[in-house]
Amino acid sequence: GQNIDQPTEMTATEGAIVQINCTYQTSGFNGLFWYQQHAGEAPTFLSYNVLDGLEEKGRFSSFLSRSKGYSYLLLKELQMKDSASYLCAVMDSNYQLIWGAGTKLIIKP
Amino acid sequence: IAGITQAPTSQILAAGRRMTLRCTQDMRHNAMYWYRQDLGLGLRLIHYSNTAGTTGKGEVPDGYSVSRANTDDFPLTLASAVPSQTSVYFCASSDSVRDTGELFFGEGSRLTVL
Repeated sequence: GQNIDQPTEMTATEGAIVQINCTYQTSGFNGLFWYQQHAGEAPTFLSYNVLDGLEEKGRFSSFLSRSKGYSYLLLKELQMKDSASYLCAVMDSNYQLIWGAGTKLIIKP
Repeated sequence: IAGITQAPTSQILAAGRRMTLRCTQDMRHNAMYWYRQDLGLGLRLIHYSNTAGTTGKGEVPDGYSVSRANTDDFPLTLASAVPSQTSVYFCASSDSVRDTGELFFGEGSRLTVL
């Protein structure tokens, strides 16, 4: 079966760095996505990786290793507004998105 | 403001009743999707449409139906609601099925079936 694993919850301190991991087993691979979802709101797109390596976008970076079935989202200089759930999703061989359950990130002052 | 509009925002429904969740987008996106989101689970695809006039079944289609008469609208119907359909429903669209696949989501419809 297809599976996306990510930690349920993480806690970090304002101003610090946090890494949210995602491992996947899917039928084929056509890219990996990270979305941010604030409580009670809709998910919003953060990043897309289809090739191995690091993609940097401001304070957020996303890394992919296809051979290991592994990705991480790196958040730097954490701000209180970064408190949210972070969803990892993989596009399989049928171009369907398979979603992880999300990682709830709690930022403490 | 361009985007996706869902209605209603929330609804309490008696089991056995029929319910249609509405979804309209003004971005002229070809692909549209309906997901449900339940605590502890990832988003699960109910139905999708790659282009107007076509629809397909997702991971959890039972008990739901959709139609795509035009590009903008993609309603989701629960023919006879059951308590297990209590969930938050998100409509989403994307410009293309096979590009970056970035999805744009509506604000969600919280449905409670009693």
